[in-house]
Amino acid sequence: GQNIDQPTEMTATEGAIVQINCTYQTSGFNGLFWYQQHAGEAPTFLSYNVLDGLEEKGRFSSFLSRSKGYSYLLLKELQMKDSASYLCAVRGSQGNLIFGKGTKLSVKP
Amino acid sequence: DTAVSQTPKYLVTQMGNDKSIKCEQNLGHDTMYWYKQDSKKFLKIMFSYNNKELIINETVPNRFSPKSPDKAHLNLHINSLELGDSAVYFCASSQVRGYNSPLHFGNGTRLTVT
Repeated sequence: GQNIDQPTEMTATEGAIVQINCTYQTSGFNGLFWYQQHAGEAPTFLSYNVLDGLEEKGRFSSFLSRSKGYSYLLLKELQMKDSASYLCAVRGSQGNLIFGKGTKLSVKP
Repeated sequence: DTAVSQTPKYLVTQMGNDKSIKCEQNLGHDTMYWYKQDSKKFLKIMFSYNNKELIINETVPNRFSPKSPDKAHLNLHINSLELGDSAVYFCASSQVRGYNSPLHFGNGTRLTVT
């Protein structure tokens, strides 16, 4: 079966650091993606991990441990515009992305 | 120069009607998808086409019929609409050859069935 878990909601303060965790159990694995989705908009691609370790892209970093079925997205120097839903997704054996239910992040001043 | 475009953006219709949503991508990708996002924001795959060939057909009522006239277009036709069909429908595309190729999403079609 396919199961991707992430917290439903998180709150953080402007300027702080926040870590959004994702655990997965899927029948196939061809990489893990993180997407950002602002309310009423389309999901937009943030990062991709297929090997263990940390990928850094500006204020955003993503980590993967395949043996633990675990990933996290790290957001540094939080800004108000980072308030959005963050979606963890695994690429399955058929090439499509299987999404978790998303984590709604609220950034407060 | 929109990458993935879908129309209409909003669709309000009555139960029992038939409606279509159109999607086009100009990224040269070989795979297109339809996803449904429900009121709890859960994105779920419905269909996937690779070079006009159906690859994925999840457990979706057969009232939903995708059509891909060419690899740049994937339309979704829905017959006999029901209240539970109300959701946001996203079209997406990617290049399957590279597993690191992300999905690019259209802006979504918000379907409301009354």
